[in-house]
Amino acid sequence: SQTIHQWPATLVQPVGSPLSLECTVEGTSNPNLYWYRQAAGRGLQLLFYSVGIGQISSEVPQNLSASRPQDRQFILSSKKLLLSDSGFYLCAWSTTAWPLHFGNGTRLTVT
Amino acid sequence: GIQVEQSPPDLILQEGANSTLRCNFSDSVNNLQWFHQNPWGQLINLFYIPSGTKQNGRLSATTVATERYSLLYISSSQTTDSGVYFCAVESVTGTYKYIFGTGTRLKVLA
Repeated sequence: SQTIHQWPATLVQPVGSPLSLECTVEGTSNPNLYWYRQAAGRGLQLLFYSVGIGQISSEVPQNLSASRPQDRQFILSSKKLLLSDSGFYLCAWSTTAWPLHFGNGTRLTVT
Repeated sequence: GIQVEQSPPDLILQEGANSTLRCNFSDSVNNLQWFHQNPWGQLINLFYIPSGTKQNGRLSATTVATERYSLLYISSSQTTDSGVYFCAVESVTGTYKYIFGTGTRLKVLA
């Protein structure tokens, strides 16, 4: 069966520090991968999605970047965090046979 | 891009009541899903329903793709149904991009 791993679950980082969040999928090949962000009490905003290794589509210009170094690995990064980067970050996957499935998310607080 | 609006934004029910949540979208879609976000933030798949009607226990969903809306029905609500309900759509002009609706926050009172 397919599983998605996302870590860490919570993270507190100072303003100006770098960020790296990792997401991996097991049990499927060539998934579409997604990063979403949810501000407190708000909906989910699509940040990046990828349909293959090295293929990244950015939806919102911001302080973040994404990379897909392996088929089932998706990484969200920032060189210098801003206060406005705080939020709940969710990784997800889908394929032509399977709809969208989410990881458990990372709660990021930038102080 | 596609716009996805949900109504009502907030809903408070007594345990045992029924409710209907609506999702309107502005473009034709390839896929549509309903999710429940529990108090811990987990997003639980409820239905994958680009068209037609599906039922799963006390929950059912209907999507009328030609009229660009979907409905989620919750019958005999329980306190564990509380949380936020989202629909997410993949438009025909935005393949692979799943855009989320604004959400309906449901609170079920004992």
